Amino acid sequence: QSVLTQPPSVSGAPGRRVTISCTGSSSNIGAGYDVHWYQHLPGTAPKLLIYGNSNRPSGVPDRFSGSKSGTSASLAITGLQAEDEADYYCQSYDISLSGSVFGGGTKLTVL
Amino acid sequence: QVQLQQSGPGLVKPSQTLSLTCAISGDTVSRNSAAWNWIRQSPSRGLEWLGRTYYRSKWYNDYAVSVKSRITINPDTSKNQFSLQLNSVTPEDTAVYYCARVVGSAYNWFDPWGQGTLVTVSS
Repeated sequence: QSVLTQPPSVSGAPGRRVTISCTGSSSNIGAGYDVHWYQHLPGTAPKLLIYGNSNRPSGVPDRFSGSKSGTSASLAITGLQAEDEADYYCQSYDISLSGSVFGGGTKLTVL
Repeated sequence: QVQLQQSGPGLVKPSQTLSLTCAISGDTVSRNSAAWNWIRQSPSRGLEWLGRTYYRSKWYNDYAVSVKSRITINPDTSKNQFSLQLNSVTPEDTAVYYCARVVGSAYNWFDPWGQGTLVTVSS
């Protein structure tokens, strides 16, 4: 029921690459609004991972990258590490709802 | 470094009012380019933006349609904090509640976030 659609789970072996998709519509991502990504470990505050589609805050490793095209966006994680195991959420703005919207979250498992 | 510290009860009875506070350090609630938000997360609704308060020569509020009739977000400049009040709660309002800052456009990202407060609505 989230406005933005993410796969519930993804997995990958250490050192491998995974991508997480975030699909929206013409009232949010497709309308040109930026996509932002968060990493969330249970019991902690969500941490900003990517802002403005593809920008990394200071301190975020360059193993994390983001992209956006049309009504979708993607988060890529290369060189998977055990510490990357977490929930990942995308966020954008929706003009029809006049507010920020989130994806349902993707649980990343490092095998 | 900006930090947000949440406080408030973790248990609220049905039909009563949920009240939480978010204390700001390292920034100012009346800063002209920031907005102060409340977001909640529950298994049934995922992450849900609830609303924001911000100062642009005067105070403004924006609220999510889903809670607009029940929510109030107020700034407290004397204590450099802001609060959430959600009236007439039901078990559906059980969630982890977060406060968070947005700088610049309303379309921007949330950073930082408060530590989260689990609020359970139950008699």
